[in-house]
Amino acid sequence: GIQVEQSPPDLILQEGANSTLRCNFSDSVNNLQWFHQNPWGQLINLFYIPSGTKQNGRLSATTVATERYSLLYISSSQTTDSGVYFCAVEGTGGFKTIFGAGTRLFVKA
Amino acid sequence: EAQVTQNPRYLITVTGKKLTVTCSQNMNHEYMSWYRQDPGLGLRQIYYSMNVEVTDKGDVPEGYKVSRKEKRNFPLILESPSPNQTSLYFCASSLRSKETQYFGPGTRLLVL
Repeated sequence: GIQVEQSPPDLILQEGANSTLRCNFSDSVNNLQWFHQNPWGQLINLFYIPSGTKQNGRLSATTVATERYSLLYISSSQTTDSGVYFCAVEGTGGFKTIFGAGTRLFVKA
Repeated sequence: EAQVTQNPRYLITVTGKKLTVTCSQNMNHEYMSWYRQDPGLGLRQIYYSMNVEVTDKGDVPEGYKVSRKEKRNFPLILESPSPNQTSLYFCASSLRSKETQYFGPGTRLLVL
């Protein structure tokens, strides 16, 4: 099955700093989503981005499907950005969803 | 308000006592799914359903059952819970497969 790897596993930022999170996947995908899990455990949709680039405020994402990776950019980070960021994919050959292990982000005030 | 709801939110039970976690969505979504989240392992898919009466196994289906008798509901059944099923469970739905998934608030289960 598809393997999904996220990097870095942990990230500590000073408030106001920028960061890039990466998601690599091992096979072709029809669907790629980025989620933020806040400290209370809630999973929040950030982007549905099987290909191309999208922006939403301080967050943007790019997926290069042909090279099998996606990037999530966080600019001017805030303490409320803390939590775990997951990418999840669905392969072209089936209907299962595979999550990466996540990037744990802590933003210091 | 469009949402996915799960009940109960917290549950403590004992080994072998059958339990059901309910999941309901009000968005007329065809695709629904259950995940478990364990420390260091991310989320792993247990079962998914493409539509009413259509279900299939995810990556970790052992010890779980599901049913999809109505479009809005997708209950997760643990016939004989064991301590290794202690976890955080999420239900999710999307309009169709391979589209944006929306997650419920999660159910924390402790099996003693």
